[in-house]
Amino acid sequence: AQKITQTQPGMFVQEKEAVTLDCTYDTSDPSYGLFWYKQPSSGEMIFLIYQGSYDQQNATEGRYSLNFQKARKSANLVISASQLGDSAMYFCAMRHLSFGGFKTIFGAGTRLFVKA
Amino acid sequence: DSGVTQTPKHLITATGQRVTLRCSPRSGDLSVYWYQQSLDQGLQFLIQYYNGEERAKGNILERFSAQQFPDLHSELNLSSLELGDSALYFCASSVVGGLEETQYFGPGTRLLVL
Repeated sequence: AQKITQTQPGMFVQEKEAVTLDCTYDTSDPSYGLFWYKQPSSGEMIFLIYQGSYDQQNATEGRYSLNFQKARKSANLVISASQLGDSAMYFCAMRHLSFGGFKTIFGAGTRLFVKA
Repeated sequence: DSGVTQTPKHLITATGQRVTLRCSPRSGDLSVYWYQQSLDQGLQFLIQYYNGEERAKGNILERFSAQQFPDLHSELNLSSLELGDSALYFCASSVVGGLEETQYFGPGTRLLVL
């Protein structure tokens, strides 16, 4: 069965430093997509970055990069030069084909605290 | 602002009641998704519609139903409400619902069942 695991309930990082949020996944499907979302205290879900299972290179979007290690089934999010506004909940998600449609499953999330 | 709108923002109701949550997708998006976020279950995919047709089903209870109308807006109906249905309900939309597509989330409807 498909599963997403985020083992870090909470993380602290100093402003301007880089931080890595861990995500491992489990699937037997050869084709899947991996996503990271940010949820600030206001509650909205903000898309950050996407990595396809067949993508050879790690995805990058501005200060966000995804460290994709397919053999280890990990898709860690790296945030460089952390800012106070990065304090939020971060969710890793996987989309996979299921009975003619695509389903998305989410991890439990990691709460990131950026210290000034 | 993602372009996805949801109404109402907040809803307080009693056990046993029925409520309807409404979602308007981004202009041009044909696919709509519903998610439930609760403290004990986390974020769960409920159901997806594409151009009026159900496309994928997740952990949606039989007491819940959804539909997508010809103008592409969608409604999630929750009936015989229980305390455990209290949650934040998100609607999201994407162009056609493909594997790699970004889903844009609405602000959510916060439901409290008393």
